[in-house]
Amino acid sequence: QVQLVQSGAEVKKPGASVKVSCKASGYTFTSYDICWVRQATGQGLEWMGWMNPISGNTDYAQKFQGRVTMTRNTSISTAYLKLSSLRSEDTAVYYCARDITGLGAFDIWGQGTVVTVSS
Amino acid sequence: QSALAQPASVSGSPGQSLTISCTGASSDLGGYNYVSWYQHHPGKAPKLIIYEDSNRPSGISNRFSGSKSDNTASLTVSGLQAEDEANYYCSSYTSSSNVVFGGGTKLTVL
Repeated sequence: QVQLVQSGAEVKKPGASVKVSCKASGYTFTSYDICWVRQATGQGLEWMGWMNPISGNTDYAQKFQGRVTMTRNTSISTAYLKLSSLRSEDTAVYYCARDITGLGAFDIWGQGTVVTVSS
Repeated sequence: QSALAQPASVSGSPGQSLTISCTGASSDLGGYNYVSWYQHHPGKAPKLIIYEDSNRPSGISNRFSGSKSDNTASLTVSGLQAEDEANYYCSSYTSSSNVVFGGGTKLTVL
């Protein structure tokens, strides 16, 4: 079936970087944009950015500009999120999601990856 | 980009209908027909229930409906059921080619 499977939980120290993977299956990976959304404990959903899997073109939320990098490996249908200069406020569940319209309709979501930033 | 405005909570009894509002600006919600709504049960992945203001994905109950007027979108849940208890988020495409979410609304079934 159509699904996105994310990598496992991470624990990082402040200032470090984290890279989360998102493997697509059940559909043609290059047919839909992939976005990343996070949710800190007790907070709402926050859009981080998106990537076109064909071109690799990205668009990031202004809040994360300079700290976030979204990439992909089309040969293994996998998208990646890298977040650098981590701080405690980055502790959250990170989700990847497929955009069926290219304009913000996310129909398939990964299971989420917990990233904990703690000294 | 400021988050879209949603009420923090709404509640209703089984069988009732209720509506969740989502207010934005002409640079996002009011300027495009690209509002989506998500149902999010804690510990699970969000679920798309409405897209492009009022379209339901395949498999979503017709008890969920979406509408929009000017800078305010609305999600109506009719025939409220216990399993509808969840957090609901609106989102919109923006003039910056980004996406902005609302702050979320906790729906409680009494």
